[in-house]
Amino acid sequence: KQEVTQIPAALSVPEGENLVLNCSFTDSAIYNLQWFRQDPGKGLTSLLLIQSSQREQTSGRLNASLDKSSGRSTLYIAASQPGDSATYLCAERQGAQKLVFGQGTRLTINP
Amino acid sequence: EAGVTQFPSHSVIEKGQTVTLRCDPISGHDNLYWYRRVMGKEIKFLLHFVKESKQDESGMPNNRFLAERTGGTYSTLKVQPAELEDSGVYFCASSSHSYNEQFFGPGTRLTVL
Repeated sequence: KQEVTQIPAALSVPEGENLVLNCSFTDSAIYNLQWFRQDPGKGLTSLLLIQSSQREQTSGRLNASLDKSSGRSTLYIAASQPGDSATYLCAERQGAQKLVFGQGTRLTINP
Repeated sequence: EAGVTQFPSHSVIEKGQTVTLRCDPISGHDNLYWYRRVMGKEIKFLLHFVKESKQDESGMPNNRFLAERTGGTYSTLKVQPAELEDSGVYFCASSSHSYNEQFFGPGTRLTVL
């Protein structure tokens, strides 16, 4: 059974800090992994998609890595800003086309 | 380019009533997915359409849920009769190809009283 775990459930850091969000998955037969952010009452915004053949993807201040052997992905946010406050979700896809989600990390950036 | 849209944004119904949720995918996206998040749980897959065909409906909880995608454009998800445990947020997503990035709509918040 596919399981995706995100720890911690909540994180609060001061503005300007670099931070890492963690995502663990149970099956190394991963096809790709997608990171999302969700603002309160809003839908999911796709941030980065990493294919199983890739080790990392970058978009602006965001960098996502993928280590299939250890079953881990990390989302690195550089120079955090209050506007980065949101819930961050990771989701893996195996052979099936559905996404399997973690419960998310609620991030708060304090000015 | 318009994103994925969902209607209504909120729905409050009584137990035993029927509700129909609608999703309009990004134009040209053949793949359409339904997911839902119930209170305190992670987002879970319900089903996947490729055009008008159901590719995978392994996540549908029971036969009170019926999804359709006539003509391969918009999709509807009907819950009949609704039960209390059906309350949650229902998300729709679409992608251009099966393993491509999925783009999500804003969700429909369903409350069953």
